[in-house]
Amino acid sequence: DQQVKQNSPSLSVQEGRISILNCDYTNSMFDYFLWYKKYPAEGPTFLISISSIKDKNEDGRFTVFLNKSAKHLSLHIVPSQPGDSAVYFCAASFDSGGYQKVTFGTGTKLQVIP
Amino acid sequence: NAGVTQTPKFQVLKTGQSMTLQCAQDMNHNSMYWYRQDPGMGLRLIYYSASEGTTDKGEVPNGYNVSRLNKREFSLRLESAAPSQTSVYFCAGMVEWTGELFFGEGSRLTVL
Repeated sequence: DQQVKQNSPSLSVQEGRISILNCDYTNSMFDYFLWYKKYPAEGPTFLISISSIKDKNEDGRFTVFLNKSAKHLSLHIVPSQPGDSAVYFCAASFDSGGYQKVTFGTGTKLQVIP
Repeated sequence: NAGVTQTPKFQVLKTGQSMTLQCAQDMNHNSMYWYRQDPGMGLRLIYYSASEGTTDKGEVPNGYNVSRLNKREFSLRLESAAPSQTSVYFCAGMVEWTGELFFGEGSRLTVL
């Protein structure tokens, strides 16, 4: 039962254009949604998050949108840069009786073409 | 400021051998986690520790044990390694109640 889904394994975008990465979830108990970025041979690093009570959060070039009715999350990167090329994991979390349970999607590999 | 440190970074084992992956954090996290990453599977939770001295199973705990003897350290042990445990293992600490995880650099394990 995959509660967090990233249906696009890969995405290619020209430098300077917008990158849009999508994520769907099924569990209504999730109260935080997060994006992590991962370069090869490194651990994932936290990028941006959004609480379930909000519908948008911005941090520089990165914006996360949350549509609770559709159970859909997206990450927009504008403008895209070659250094953004990485695997992006969507994640969602909720309080599972004493710990914050975090569930990850399978990742989307973004390639930004110079 | 080391953050989350994992050792070893690489290890090759034969089927049936045992080993322990070490993880230490200096970020004062109460909660610590062990994940494994496999191609096409994302990150799956093996075990977690909500606080010092407590541990509990995640999604894929079979074949593993953990130990949280103090706040800083959370180790993962494979008692009898199997080829299915070939993976990249990540330790992480969490900023309380946010889901924001700080990961180590990973330990790549190959079981022959």
